[in-house]
Amino acid sequence: NAGVTQTPKFQVLKTGQSMTLQCAQDMNHEYMSWYRQDPGMGLRLIHYSVGAGITDQGEVPNGYNVSRSTTEDFPLRLLSAAPSQTSVYFCASSTPGEGKNEQFFGPGTRLTVL
Amino acid sequence: GNSVTQMEGPVTLSEEAFLTINCTYTATGYPSLFWYVQYPGEGLQLLLKATKADDKGSNKGFEATYRKETTSFHLEKGSVQVSDSAVYFCALKDTGGFKTIFGAGTRLFVKA
Repeated sequence: NAGVTQTPKFQVLKTGQSMTLQCAQDMNHEYMSWYRQDPGMGLRLIHYSVGAGITDQGEVPNGYNVSRSTTEDFPLRLLSAAPSQTSVYFCASSTPGEGKNEQFFGPGTRLTVL
Repeated sequence: GNSVTQMEGPVTLSEEAFLTINCTYTATGYPSLFWYVQYPGEGLQLLLKATKADDKGSNKGFEATYRKETTSFHLEKGSVQVSDSAVYFCALKDTGGFKTIFGAGTRLFVKA
C-alpha cells in the first residue's frame, strides 16, 4: 500500500493564481481531511469529508474548495492564491472507529505564494 | 471547546538524557489521546495512543499515561537518541467524533 500520497511536493504561485493540490489514499478510508501547518500554530483543519459526496468546513476554510467524488481522492483547490496561504499542507485519512482511530498523513505540499 | 496545550519548545537534550514533554487537555466526556511525531521533511505519524483513563500508550521506548484526574498525557522517554530529534504533537479526539485537535507541537533537538 502506498498509504496517503500528495502531489506536488513543492509549488510556487503568484498572487491571484489558482491551483489544485492532489491527495489520494489506497486504504479505503472513509474520512479524509486537509490541514495547514504554520510555525507555532500546530495543524489547523481546512476542510474534511466523511465519505464520497460529503464535505464540510473546518477551522480555516476561506479561500479553499474541496470535493470528494471517490473514496480515494480528495483534492484541495486554491481559488485565488494569496501570500497568507503560504504554508505546508497535509492531507490525512482515517476510519471512524468511535473516535479511537489515528489519522494517516501524507508527506505534505510546501506552497509559497509570492 | 476542546483544546490541547503542550509545552513550548524547542527542547534541547544530550543523548541518553530523560525526556518529558508536557501535554494537558480540555474536553467534555472521554476523548482518545494521541502523540504524533513529525521527522524533518515528512508528514505526521502516530507514535502512541490511549483511549481510556489510566491507559498507558507505548512505542519505541516512549510512554504516556492517560490521567483523567489531571487532564494530562505527558510524553516520556528514559534515554533519548539523536534519531529522536523531531517535532512532537499531542492530540485528542472526542468519543465518536471525527475531528482531531492538535497542540502546537514541541520541537526536540538531541545532541550527540
